[in-house]
Amino acid sequence: DSGVTQTPKHLITATGQRVTLRCSPRSGDLSVYWYQQSLDQGLQFLIQYYNGEERAKGNILERFSAQQFPDLHSELNLSSLELGDSALYFCASSPGVSKIYGYTFGSGTRLTVV
Amino acid sequence: AQSVTQLGSHVSVSEGALVLLRCNYSSSVPPYLFWYVQYPNQGLQLLLKYTTGATLVKGINGFEAEFKKSETSFHLTKPSAHMSDAAEYFCAVSVDNAGNMLTFGGGTRLMVKP
Repeated sequence: DSGVTQTPKHLITATGQRVTLRCSPRSGDLSVYWYQQSLDQGLQFLIQYYNGEERAKGNILERFSAQQFPDLHSELNLSSLELGDSALYFCASSPGVSKIYGYTFGSGTRLTVV
Repeated sequence: AQSVTQLGSHVSVSEGALVLLRCNYSSSVPPYLFWYVQYPNQGLQLLLKYTTGATLVKGINGFEAEFKKSETSFHLTKPSAHMSDAAEYFCAVSVDNAGNMLTFGGGTRLMVKP
C-alpha cells in the first residue's frame, strides 16, 4: 500500500456521461498530480495541485477539470466522455513542490467508456 | 522543455542475465532523474532517483543507475535478472521550477525467460 488511495478502481460508463475520480494523497503530502496512461499516448501529465491551488497544467482537455479540497483530497471530473477517454488515470502525491522527492502513485482508476 | 527517450519498448533477458534498460534525456538545465516500475494492474513504484551528488545511484530490488551528463543518459541495470523483475519500467525527468512535474518516457517492458 503506497498510501495514495484512488477510488473507484474500475469504472465503466457510456459516451457522453460524466464521472468523478477521487484521490486521497499520502499523509503529509501537499501536492497532488493527475496522469492519464493509455497505450497510444503513454503517461501524460494532466494537472497538479499544491495545498488547494492549481500549480501546473499539462495536456488536460477542456472537458476535464479537477480540484483539491481543504482536506487535500482531490477529484478529477471527466465530462462528455468519448471512447478515446478510456484509460488508466493515476493520482500521485509528493510532500511539496521540490523536485527531489519524486512521486508516490496510487493504484489508478481504470476508466472504460462504451 | 525536457524530454525522455527509452530505447527499446520491449527487452527480453534470461533469468540470471544482466538487465540493461536505456534512458536518454534532453534538458537545458541540470535534471533530476527517476526510474519507476509498474507491475501488472498496479501503480508506479519508485525504484531510484538521481538528484545531486553521487552519479551512481542504488535503488530497491538490486537495481542501480548511473547519471552520465556527457552522454545525457541514465541507464538502469541489474546484474542478475529474477523472474519477479518482469514488469514495465519508466524513466522520468524533472526540471520544472514552477512545480514538480515529471516527464515520463514511453516505458520498457522487461520480460524474463526461465
